[in-house]
Amino acid sequence: AQSVTQLGSHVSVSEGALVLLRCNYSSSVPPYLFWYVQYPNQGLQLLLKYTSAATLVKGINGFEAEFKKSETSFHLTKPSAHMSDAAEYFCAVSLGSGTYKYIFGTGTRLKVLA
Amino acid sequence: DAMVIQNPRYQVTQFGKPVTLSCSQTLNHNVMYWYQQKSSQAPKLLFHYYDKDFNNEADTPDNFQSRRPNTSFCFLDIRSPGLGDAAMYLCATSRVRQRSEQYFGPGTRLTVT
Repeated sequence: AQSVTQLGSHVSVSEGALVLLRCNYSSSVPPYLFWYVQYPNQGLQLLLKYTSAATLVKGINGFEAEFKKSETSFHLTKPSAHMSDAAEYFCAVSLGSGTYKYIFGTGTRLKVLA
Repeated sequence: DAMVIQNPRYQVTQFGKPVTLSCSQTLNHNVMYWYQQKSSQAPKLLFHYYDKDFNNEADTPDNFQSRRPNTSFCFLDIRSPGLGDAAMYLCATSRVRQRSEQYFGPGTRLTVT
């Protein structure tokens, strides 16, 4: 059965510092993985997705994620945090069949300190 | 721009008074999802439609119903809202194919008084 674990419900970084948000998955089949961002009182916006074409995936707003099969991880990174990055981030795995429902991680709230 | 639209963005209803939330899409996607999201939690899937085929999650209360009259529109009906139903309700759509992402609307914030 598929599952997603996001370590760290709250992460704080200084403006300009590296952002690292962790996501580990469990899947019996090759996973389809996604990162979403949610700003207050907004819907979820897709940051990037793993399509199996490349292990390093680049997304919007300077974010990227690396798929590591050996570690069952798909951590999200950004070299330099900006104040506008403060938001909730969700990692999701698609069930990969039928209507491709998601299993979401519990989310990580990113705080950026001036 | 192709998108997912939810109306209203904010809805206040009284305890026990039926309420309907609306979602429309211009993406022409086969699948439409309804999620409930409470504060500081991940979205929780209530049900989804694959075209006209309705799929209810096992733990979705009977109080929640849905209608999809055509490809573009989907409605969430809460027959007798309780205080515990206050939440953000998110609509999403997707194509039915591998590695297809879900596109989310801006959500409707429901308050129950």
